[in-house]
Amino acid sequence: DAGVTQSPTHLIKTRGQQVTLRCSPKSGHDTVSWYQQALGQGPQFIFQYYEEEERQRGNFPDRFSGHQFPNYSSELNVNALLLGDSALYLCASSSLGALMDYGYTFGSGTRLTVV
Amino acid sequence: AQKITQTQPGMFVQEKEAVTLDCTYDTSDQSYGLFWYKQPSSGEMIFLIYQGSYDEQNATEGRYSLNFQKARKSANLVISASQLGDSAMYFCAMRDISVEYGNKLVFGAGTILRVKS
Repeated sequence: DAGVTQSPTHLIKTRGQQVTLRCSPKSGHDTVSWYQQALGQGPQFIFQYYEEEERQRGNFPDRFSGHQFPNYSSELNVNALLLGDSALYLCASSSLGALMDYGYTFGSGTRLTVV
Repeated sequence: AQKITQTQPGMFVQEKEAVTLDCTYDTSDQSYGLFWYKQPSSGEMIFLIYQGSYDEQNATEGRYSLNFQKARKSANLVISASQLGDSAMYFCAMRDISVEYGNKLVFGAGTILRVKS
């Protein structure tokens, strides 16, 4: 049973560019959340997708956008990259329909470096 | 707003000894869930243990146990018989389990644990 798959694993971009990160959730999960983890800090919630809609959003600017596809996979897009966007981006899948399902599954992340 | 505080930036423990990692939380909600995750250098978040706010008994999972003191709003992780492979970053996190808020997790800043041989 495959867990959460994220691609690419590493990425180097230049300031001002745009980037797309991808996530395939664990089989059976219908909800995808994205987190940003700066070096030496805890992950910060970016947004969550369920039924192809953004359901919840953290304190991130509109430069951060996302999408969820009918197969539950998801993309995170960041426009006009800043040096401060350099971080590990984690995708987590879960099942929104199961209230007591605490089985979040995280991917290994995409490490984005903005130069 | 929910908040998680981990006051220990780093901890050392001797192999085979027990170690406690501290976590306090702040929430006005009555229903919530508390998690501990392990993050090795590879970056993946590995689920360790979960405690629901209405659970009367402390959660245990193998060598991991959660010392849940609801009145003090603390949820400390106890790792027994430490192993070299336990060296990693550990995060405490909280989730609001009411449906309308979804499954968002709020994380603490983490504690780096180093196990010495």
